[in-house]
Amino acid sequence: RKEVEQDPGPFNVPEGATVAFNCTYSNSASQSFFWYRQDCRKEPKLLMSVYSSGNEDGRFTAQLNRASQYISLLIRDSKLSDSATYLCVVTTGGSYIPTFGRGTSLIVHP
Amino acid sequence: GAGVSQSPSNKVTEKGKDVELRCDPISGHTALYWYRQRLGQGLEFLIYFQGNSAPDKSGLPSDRFSAERTGESVSTLTIQRTQQEDSAVYLCASSLARGGVGNIQYFGAGTRLSVL
Repeated sequence: RKEVEQDPGPFNVPEGATVAFNCTYSNSASQSFFWYRQDCRKEPKLLMSVYSSGNEDGRFTAQLNRASQYISLLIRDSKLSDSATYLCVVTTGGSYIPTFGRGTSLIVHP
Repeated sequence: GAGVSQSPSNKVTEKGKDVELRCDPISGHTALYWYRQRLGQGLEFLIYFQGNSAPDKSGLPSDRFSAERTGESVSTLTIQRTQQEDSAVYLCASSLARGGVGNIQYFGAGTRLSVL
């Protein structure tokens, strides 16, 4: 089993739709969780950190479920500009080498 | 600097030649990472530097790959006797290497390497 798994998609949704991605991790000692966004032929950029209590940033909501070992990202009112690959990133306690998921591709169409 | 800087942005080389890629991390960031990303693939960890500690080289794919970093400054990734399968984007990232949000990595724009 891979350490961090994501559905590669693509998720193809119309503008205005709500879409959710999940990411599962295998190491129960994982401590830090992030979602990054990578546009085509660009570098990854931090979208948001994921806190135990869940957190929201505008149209984006991230949640952590430690019991089931997954994190989620919810995007409401999708925009064309949300089209990108969303990377799940997990760091295990005691290590500063994060593990990246393969990414989930989102395509928002008019 | 304002962000992580990598050079060159593009590099075309012939099979068998050596190449050197450079990364300037964000000032004050003690941790520096190198990744490789092949077309349409995920990020592949190569090497990690933390301050003056011995680097974690566990991701280097072969002894043709090496990297150096002086203190908490510039790093260079060297690929000797390049092969066509080395063609990829090489990404550098830096972080504060502390808990929680200190683990956030900031990436450079990458070096796109093409081996002919």
